[in-house]
Amino acid sequence: EVQLVESGGGLVQPGGSLRLSCVASGFTFSSSWMHWVRQAPGKGLVWVSRINTDGSSTIYADSVKGRFTISRDNAKNTLYLEMTSLRAEDTAVYFCASVRIPVGYDYWGQGTLVTVSS
Amino acid sequence: DIVMTQSPDSLAVSLGERATISCKSSQSVLYSSNNKNYLTWYQQKPGQPPKLLIYWASTRESGVPDRFSGSGSGTDFTLTISSLQAEDVAVYYCHQFYSAPYTFGQGTKLEIK
Repeated sequence: EVQLVESGGGLVQPGGSLRLSCVASGFTFSSSWMHWVRQAPGKGLVWVSRINTDGSSTIYADSVKGRFTISRDNAKNTLYLEMTSLRAEDTAVYFCASVRIPVGYDYWGQGTLVTVSS
Repeated sequence: DIVMTQSPDSLAVSLGERATISCKSSQSVLYSSNNKNYLTWYQQKPGQPPKLLIYWASTRESGVPDRFSGSGSGTDFTLTISSLQAEDVAVYYCHQFYSAPYTFGQGTKLEIK
């Protein structure tokens, strides 16, 4: 059974940092491109970032560029999102998702909530 | 950036009736090398992550009921539920996988009338 399990969310003050993790199982993680997608409370889905299979290529939404860093550890089947200089508008549930190229997101985690507030 | 616009924002349909959701992209998402539209539809129920329904604009994901269908090409797309069931109450999103940033439509909330 495919599973993606996010963790690391929580309450953080504006300007603070958090590192999200997404542990994958049930599929060949090292062969899968991975994305982060977020959803503010009561709002729609917003793409955040993408990483290729070996971590050598990453891209970001303009809204997080320079503040967020996506990475992966294929030996640990784990995807990361390092978030710095957090703002109130970063408050959202963050989902990790695996990609079936060139179709879209075939598996999603349940999400982890990040709340940026003083 | 490719802007994805869905209509309507919300929709109420009677059980057993047809539901139709439109999605328009600000530029074509048709990939010329394989003649595939990189347009995907997702269903999201409350408290759950999205679920892949339709990809390449019209290919139903394995296990998705055949009452769900997708159509369209280039910049205009449609998701149709032929006979609405109670379990179809959800928010539906279109998504372009053609180029980064990989933008979503704003979502269409489907309810029972």
